[in-house]
Amino acid sequence: EPEVTQTPSHQVTQMGQEVILRCVPISNHLYFYWYRQILGQKVEFLVSFYNNEISEKSEIFDDQFSVERPDGSNFTLKIRSTKLEDSAMYFCASSVIYEQYFGPGTRLTVT
Amino acid sequence: GENVEQHPSTLSVQEGDSAVIKCTYSDSASNYFPWYKQELGKRPQLIIDIRSNVGEKKDQRIAVTLNKTAKHFSLHITETQPEDSAVYFCAPIVAYGNKLVFGAGTILRVKS
Repeated sequence: EPEVTQTPSHQVTQMGQEVILRCVPISNHLYFYWYRQILGQKVEFLVSFYNNEISEKSEIFDDQFSVERPDGSNFTLKIRSTKLEDSAMYFCASSVIYEQYFGPGTRLTVT
Repeated sequence: GENVEQHPSTLSVQEGDSAVIKCTYSDSASNYFPWYKQELGKRPQLIIDIRSNVGEKKDQRIAVTLNKTAKHFSLHITETQPEDSAVYFCAPIVAYGNKLVFGAGTILRVKS
């Protein structure tokens, strides 16, 4: 059964550094999403992407964040200058219509 | 925006008992109602969902019921097993391609 994959599984970075989180959505899916989950809290929406453009973004998704689909398979989230409060688990998800399937996540630790 | 509340926040049951978790939402335009299970350190996993034109859906030991008039839907787990222990999230959605709006989660503990 196809699954969403994400790399790396764990990323440690220093405050102010740029990070790129990578996702490979399920191949026939059309909608792509990034969510994040701070330890012990609920999952929060960051951004959705369809037809090579952002369809919706949350207040969290400020100018420090960007997304890209550089080729037919990858979907990336870039944080330009990381802050301590960006430490969280970042999940990529994809869907054909309603059902959204999540990747295993990237744990980002900002020191 | 959509406001989603789950109750209870924690639930402890004896193995073999039933568990019910309720989710209340505010946006009457919501038309898709999934439940996700998340084990510690793992991804949210879609376990059951229902569309707005259906009142109930069952899949083996789990079921979801929807009351659109009252704007709530519930997850029912029968014959609970220790492996059902996890955090359960509801996440209603207005239209496909839109964001999931997660509730705060319910910690289910099944005691053997």
